[in-house]
Amino acid sequence: GENVEQHPSTLSVQEGDSAVIKCTYSDSASNYFPWYKQELGKRPQLIIDIRSNVGEKKDQRIAVTLNKTAKHFSLHITETQPEDSAVYFCAANTGGFKTIFGAGTRLFVKA
Amino acid sequence: DAGVIQSPRHEVTEMGQEVTLRCKPISGHDYLFWYRQTMMRGLELLIYFNNNVPIDDSGMPEDRFSAKMPNASFSTLKIQPSEPRDSAVYFCASTKGGLNTEAFFGQGTRLTVV
Repeated sequence: GENVEQHPSTLSVQEGDSAVIKCTYSDSASNYFPWYKQELGKRPQLIIDIRSNVGEKKDQRIAVTLNKTAKHFSLHITETQPEDSAVYFCAANTGGFKTIFGAGTRLFVKA
Repeated sequence: DAGVIQSPRHEVTEMGQEVTLRCKPISGHDYLFWYRQTMMRGLELLIYFNNNVPIDDSGMPEDRFSAKMPNASFSTLKIQPSEPRDSAVYFCASTKGGLNTEAFFGQGTRLTVV
């Protein structure tokens, strides 16, 4: 089955710097890659996603890239702000609607 | 729509007791997922349903765990008997099948087994 690995597990950056989180997946049939943000004590919520026919997608300060050949994808957050502090999960979906999550990255943005 | 609704929000129970977690998916969503979240293991998919039918339960840790979906608007996850290592936050999520497969999560149930 699908296996998603995510790193780093913890990331600390200064406000205004960029943050990059990387994930790899094992199932070449995966074709949908969402990213979720989970604030402390709250539910995970989708922040951006990318499909296998797209290499890059941007939404304001966040962007995702996908390399299907290498089976890895990344989340990039620019101009980080304290409110970006949260746990971020990458995920892969094979189209069978079974979404497998990475272990999560705890992002700290220091003011 | 109020979103995915889970109950209870918090549950504290003694080891050996039966625990039932409840979920109401978003109306019109035909996929329902149960996840368990712990610090050690992150978000683990336990089981998911499509049109009320269990599709994949390979993530259910052992026979003490069972899940049902008697109709499109209700699902339960039962642990019997419960053990301290079952302590975690349990999330239910639902999606509408098709191109948009965003999973909408409930608020979660924080289970503590003492």
